Amino acid sequence: GQNIDQPTEMTATEGAIVQINCTYQTSGFNGLFWYQQHAGEAPTFLSYNVLDGLEEKGRFSSFLSRSKGYSYLLLKELQMKDSASYLCAVRDLDMRFGAGTRLTVKP
Amino acid sequence: EAGVVQSPRYKIIEKKQPVAFWCNPISGHNTLYWYRQNLGQGPELLIRYENEEAVDDSQLPKDRFSAERLKGVDSTLKIQPAELGDSAVYLCASSLKTADTQYFGPGTRLTVL
Repeated sequence: GQNIDQPTEMTATEGAIVQINCTYQTSGFNGLFWYQQHAGEAPTFLSYNVLDGLEEKGRFSSFLSRSKGYSYLLLKELQMKDSASYLCAVRDLDMRFGAGTRLTVKP
Repeated sequence: EAGVVQSPRYKIIEKKQPVAFWCNPISGHNTLYWYRQNLGQGPELLIRYENEEAVDDSQLPKDRFSAERLKGVDSTLKIQPAELGDSAVYLCASSLKTADTQYFGPGTRLTVL
């Protein structure tokens, strides 16, 4: 089976840096994805890792360690609009999503 | 480029009634997915199509749910009859091929009373 675990909620301050962790156990692995989902809206694609290491895309970076079954999403220079849920998803044959981490950015 | 289109955006029905959701994927995307998302949870895959073929429907409750993608483009998901526990957001996503990034539509929020 597949387990994907991430914290339920996090709070951070505008302008700060926040790291959202994700651990997973899967029978197969074909990539790890991070999606952002604002309340009442569809998930939007943020990043994709298939090899170990850090992928940087503007203010967002995502890290993967396949041997540890671990990933994190790093958000820098937080803005109020970054308040959303962040979904970690692992692809085997199909995509399996974690329950999401609800991030609240405070002034 | 237009994204994934879904309709209706919201639907309220009484239990035991039928309901249908429609999805138009991104042009050229061969793979189409239907997900269900309960409040506070991540999306859960119901069915995956490659062109018009359903290649993974193991999580689709076949006693009441059905789906089709007749010409390999648009798709419909139907529930008949709906139950209270079916209240959720039904998301459609598409990707160029199965191994590619999935892009989601805005979803249909279903409320069963």
